[in-house]
Amino acid sequence: QKEVEQDPGPLSVPEGAIVSLNCTYSNSAFQYFMWYRQYSRKGPELLMYTYSSGNKEDGRFTAQVDKSSKYISLFIRDSQPSDSATYLCAMSKAGNQFYFGTGTSLTVIP
Amino acid sequence: DGGITQSPKYLFRKEGQNVTLSCEQNLNHDAMYWYRQDPGQGLRLIYYSQIVNDFQKGDIAEGYSVSREKKESFPLTVTSAQKNPTAFYLCASSDRGQEKLFFGSGTQLSVL
Repeated sequence: QKEVEQDPGPLSVPEGAIVSLNCTYSNSAFQYFMWYRQYSRKGPELLMYTYSSGNKEDGRFTAQVDKSSKYISLFIRDSQPSDSATYLCAMSKAGNQFYFGTGTSLTVIP
Repeated sequence: DGGITQSPKYLFRKEGQNVTLSCEQNLNHDAMYWYRQDPGQGLRLIYYSQIVNDFQKGDIAEGYSVSREKKESFPLTVTSAQKNPTAFYLCASSDRGQEKLFFGSGTQLSVL
């Protein structure tokens, strides 16, 4: 079993829709949770960073962590064509060891 | 501007040749990492280094080598022993205790 599972999609939505991206994990020791956005043939860009459980909001983006269910989500409100990218979830225990999902490909159609 | 610089952006390798990918960071981060990205497979860890003059193998280290002689530099050599080197290579760094990973812009390696 992989430590982090992420639905690869592809996901296609109309402009303005709310997008929900999700990851599940198996290791209860994970405490740090990240979402990255990666455009084609570019390096991943850190979008959201959360420690432990709860919600974090930044503009149109909201990250949620539910440690009891071992489930994390990224919501994108009022999605734009520029949001079209691959979204990677990542998580870490202490000690700078990182575990990644395989990424979800998102297309926002104008 | 602080960041991670990878070069070159594109690299071509002939059979039997060793090639070196450069990674430099000016973030003053202790830890540096090399990942390989293949379509549909996510990121796989090749090598990482938590401190100068020390590094550890990741999940797919065979056919690769690294050095960490300076805090800001972590070059990756793809040796002729790596039989399937075509991939997108990403260098990353993190600060001890921060548990955030920052990436460079990547190097696409292809075989001629």
